[in-house]
Amino acid sequence: QKEVEQDPGPLSVPEGAIVSLNCTYSNSAFQYFMWYRQYSRKGPELLMYTYSSGNKEDGRFTAQVDKSSKYISLFIRDSQPSDSATYLCAEGNQFYFGTGTSLTVIP
Amino acid sequence: GAVVSQHPSRVICKSGTSVKIECRSLDFQATTMFWYRQFPKKSLMLMATSNEGSKATYEQGVEKDKFLINHASLTLSTLTVTSAHPEDSSFYICSAPPGLATNEQFFGPGTRLTVL
Repeated sequence: QKEVEQDPGPLSVPEGAIVSLNCTYSNSAFQYFMWYRQYSRKGPELLMYTYSSGNKEDGRFTAQVDKSSKYISLFIRDSQPSDSATYLCAEGNQFYFGTGTSLTVIP
Repeated sequence: GAVVSQHPSRVICKSGTSVKIECRSLDFQATTMFWYRQFPKKSLMLMATSNEGSKATYEQGVEKDKFLINHASLTLSTLTVTSAHPEDSSFYICSAPPGLATNEQFFGPGTRLTVL
């Protein structure tokens, strides 16, 4: 079992939809989690960095950690075509990465 | 889905030695692969773009002679950290797009390098 598992996608949604990107992790000792966004042919950029259970909101993005179920999510509200990218979840201490989910937002 | 592997997953070496890290696309061909370095609590830093059959393209500030990249085949890229020093200790990760007309990117599991 991988340390961090991510829904592989690809995911295609209409503009304005709420997007849910999900990962699970295996080690209950994990505490830090990160979400990256990577546009085609660019390096990944850190979107959000979370520590505790609960929600962390930044604009249209909400990162959610449920430690009881070892589940992490990234929600994108009012999705835009510019959100089309690959999203990567990661454990933030040992740097276990998910495999990435490709998102396409259709105008 | 497409899989990218890295080897080794962890390596500890003495200062002054060279370390080779392999990145393989297991079920697809990758004409391009990307190498990143992760610093604690910081974003992944793109180091270079590895191109099959030609020279790698390095990002500004990355020493070409320090981090040698060879993309010998459509499924293998290697990163060699030459004359490693403790400050090179980091987490190195590669990624590859499964095709030209896609913004998908598949990441390897990463390699943790510790230089003593």
